[in-house]
Amino acid sequence: KAGVTQTPRYLIKTRGQQVTLSCSPISGHRSVSWYQQTPGQGLQFLFEYFSETQRNKGNFPGRFSGRQFSNSRSEMNVSTLELGDSALYLCASSLHLGGSLTGELFFGEGSRLTVL
Amino acid sequence: AQRVTQPEKLLSVFKGAPVELKCNYSYSGSPELFWYVQYSRQRLQLLLRHISRESIKGFTADLNKGETSFHLKKPFAQEEDSAMYYCALSGFGVQGAQKLVFGQGTRLTINP
Repeated sequence: KAGVTQTPRYLIKTRGQQVTLSCSPISGHRSVSWYQQTPGQGLQFLFEYFSETQRNKGNFPGRFSGRQFSNSRSEMNVSTLELGDSALYLCASSLHLGGSLTGELFFGEGSRLTVL
Repeated sequence: AQRVTQPEKLLSVFKGAPVELKCNYSYSGSPELFWYVQYSRQRLQLLLRHISRESIKGFTADLNKGETSFHLKKPFAQEEDSAMYYCALSGFGVQGAQKLVFGQGTRLTINP
């Protein structure tokens, strides 16, 4: 079974630009979560999607947005990039059983964004 | 609010010595706690969860609701245990949906 796939793996942008990151979950997983990982802040929760609906959102500004498609693939978008947005963005998928997450997240390798 | 605190950013022990990675949480409901691990050049992955009460790679963790702690322990550290360890809490966010909140992580280094 293929793991969580994230594209692109690396990208460099300049301040003010926008970026779209993509995530393909494990087949059968309907929940997709996004995290920002930085050396100083660790893993910060961005948002979680299930059946194309955003169910949870972390404390990030509105420049950070996402969506999920009917095939459970997800994208996140960051507009008006700032230097502080440089980070590893991790996507994770999870099996959803009976209304509850199983708690086990399967992570992708991440998309490393550098903002210059 | 859901919060996970890992007080040690770095922890270094010698091979064969006991290891304890501390984790404290704050959550008003009944939490589910997890330990995730990230080895060098590998993906973040689940190590163990409290509900299973299992021992993985010699590691155990006991949920102490009185002290709101979920410390990870191993009696004899191995060099391959060197990694980044994250404690995580699963609680309920808005719309009743669960979300996983992570601590800031502890980098464990096992010295030969």
